[in-house]
Amino acid sequence: LAKTTQPISMDSYEGQEVNITCSHNNIATNDYITWYQQFPSQGPRFIIQGYKTKVTNEVASLFIPADRKSSTLSLPRVSLSDTAVYYCLVGDPVTGGFKTIFGAGTRLFVKA
Amino acid sequence: SAVISQKPSRDICQRGTSLTIQCQVDSQVTMMFWYRQQPGQSLTLIATANQGSEATYESGFVIDKFPISRPNLTFSTLTVSNMSPEDSSIYLCSVEGGTSGAETQYFGPGTRLLVL
Repeated sequence: LAKTTQPISMDSYEGQEVNITCSHNNIATNDYITWYQQFPSQGPRFIIQGYKTKVTNEVASLFIPADRKSSTLSLPRVSLSDTAVYYCLVGDPVTGGFKTIFGAGTRLFVKA
Repeated sequence: SAVISQKPSRDICQRGTSLTIQCQVDSQVTMMFWYRQQPGQSLTLIATANQGSEATYESGFVIDKFPISRPNLTFSTLTVSNMSPEDSSIYLCSVEGGTSGAETQYFGPGTRLLVL
């Protein structure tokens, strides 16, 4: 299973764009990249998933370069409520491999 | 998306006792998963529970300590047996979901356990 590396923490201010990068150097051909968000006292919540290039939804964008050895979660114009831990997972969703490894995650703190 | 509820939401228990945590899903699912999240830490998968078969445990977790039941496609229980303070954690259940082509997980709100 591909291991991921993320910054432990990040600070930002309201209204700024936040980019969180995840390294996954040994990503396999069938692996997808999935990001989750976890607020205190809640279970993780799916944000976005992608395989290559760019994926965008109503919450975030996910940028994946051609070599797929890293990915960047982009949160546009963050607010205080975006303060949370963000997890990057890599694995094959068909075989379920990504279920087993949650990395340390990135603690994002948004300030007023 | 799946809606998952867990009971109890939190509990304080004495060492040596056992606690059974319930997980209810609003739709039928094949696999359910149990995770542990220790204070300030990430999530660790305990086991995968399939309906009609024995749960599959991850390395470091055993059935005697964490027995799991999966009586139907919408319900599962995890028991934390013979508890010690080291078992103080948040226990979360999750299920698979997602749109065609890629699977994701939906998580319950968690059960916060404190063992004294």
